[in-house]
Amino acid sequence: QVQLVQSGAEVKKPGASVKVSCKASGYTFTSYGISWVRQAPGQGLEWMGWISAYNGNTNYAQKLQGRVTMTTDTSTSTAYMELRSLRSDDTAVFYCARVAVTGWYFDLWGRGTLVTVSS
Amino acid sequence: SYELTQPPSVSVSPGQTARITCSGDALPKKYAYWYQQKSGQAPVLVIYEDSKRPSGIPERFSGSSSGTMATLTISGAQVEDEADYYCYSTDSSGNPSFGGGTKLTVL
Repeated sequence: QVQLVQSGAEVKKPGASVKVSCKASGYTFTSYGISWVRQAPGQGLEWMGWISAYNGNTNYAQKLQGRVTMTTDTSTSTAYMELRSLRSDDTAVFYCARVAVTGWYFDLWGRGTLVTVSS
Repeated sequence: SYELTQPPSVSVSPGQTARITCSGDALPKKYAYWYQQKSGQAPVLVIYEDSKRPSGIPERFSGSSSGTMATLTISGAQVEDEADYYCYSTDSSGNPSFGGGTKLTVL
C-alpha cells in the first residue's frame, strides 16, 4: 500500500526543537521528493520546503531558512523535518507530502503530526 | 511570497454547481492544482495540471484556467463535498504557494 506514515504528536516548550518523521512505503522512495507543509490551527496550508530523496538536495521556504532542516534516510525510506527555536506560532499540524514525478505538486500526503509549542 | 487569491467561502444547495476561483499573476504560464481538505483530514488532490482529474475523483469535479484565473467547478455538489478547497501553484521562479483556501458549504 502506497502511504506516508508520520510520527506522533509532540508538545514542546518555546526555544526547543522538534523532529518529525515520515516513513514511506509501497513505492521507490528515491524516485520522488518529499515536501513538508504546515497548517496552523484554523489557518491555511503553508509550504515549508522540499528534499530530494534521490540526492538529498533541499530547498527551504525563505521565512524558515536557518530554522528548518530536512533530511532523509534511504535505508529506512524515511524523511525527517527538524524545526528549531520553536515559538508559539509554530504550533501547527505538519504534513509530509510526496512530490509527483510529472510535476511540482503533491500527489500523496501523510496524515499529519500535531506539534504544540507551549510553556 | 507569491499570492494566490481565493474567496473565503462559497455556499450552494445540494445539486447546484459550485465554482471556486483562484487568481495569480503566474497562472497564465503555470499549472493550477486543487486540493480538498475535509475537517481533521489531510488534503487530497482533486485536480492537477489545470483540468486533469486523478483516478478515484468523481467526474463532477472539473478544473479550468484562463489568463490569471483558475476555476474549480463541482457540478451537482453533494453534501459530502463540503470541505476547504485550496488552489496551489508555483510562481515564475518555481516557488510553491497555496491559496488562502475556500470553505465550501453545501446545504
